[in-house]
Amino acid sequence: AQSVTQLGSHVSVSEGALVLLRCNYSSSVPPYLFWYVQYPNQGLQLLLKYTSAATLVKGINGFEAEFKKSETSFHLTKPSAHMSDAAEYFCAVSDSAGGTSYGKLTFGQGTILTVHP
Amino acid sequence: EAEVAQSPRYKITEKSQAVAFWCDPISGHATLYWYRQILGQGPELLVQFQDESVVDDSQLPKDRFSAERLKGVDSTLKIQPAELGDSAMYLCASWGAGTSGYNEQFFGPGTRLTVL
Repeated sequence: AQSVTQLGSHVSVSEGALVLLRCNYSSSVPPYLFWYVQYPNQGLQLLLKYTSAATLVKGINGFEAEFKKSETSFHLTKPSAHMSDAAEYFCAVSDSAGGTSYGKLTFGQGTILTVHP
Repeated sequence: EAEVAQSPRYKITEKSQAVAFWCDPISGHATLYWYRQILGQGPELLVQFQDESVVDDSQLPKDRFSAERLKGVDSTLKIQPAELGDSAMYLCASWGAGTSGYNEQFFGPGTRLTVL
């Protein structure tokens, strides 16, 4: 079974400050890892994904995440927060890249990011 | 860019009534997912289709929920009868190539269900 734990249900930063959202996973097979963003009353948008290539993954909107197998972590970072980054962020794990092998996403509980002016 | 369509966006119903949600995936996407997202939690997979076949419905409460994708294109999720605990966002997603060239799940805007 796979699972994801997001540490901190709420994170608050000042505009221009570093954003760090934490994600730890559990998987019995080499995982595929994803970060999604969700704005109020909208669906999820993929920020980035790790699929066993480079351990440092760059995504959209200046976000990146580093896969650390020894720590079973996939933390999301952004050097400088912008007001438009305020949203809820979800980390997810799958045993495949999705679609084939019945690739199923297991999501964490989510982290709400607040950005103060 | 093509999008996953869902309707209605919002639905308010009374307990014991029947409700239905519709999803139209991105054209050509064979794999379709329905998720339920309870407020304050991450999405949870209810059912996954490959074309018209169900490949995973292990988390679908089959006594009251049903899902179909008759022609392997659009899909309907039904709840009958609705219960108070069914209040949630219902998300549809389909899987296929994105603008990056890699396959990913594309999510629709969701249907927000409120059961009174």
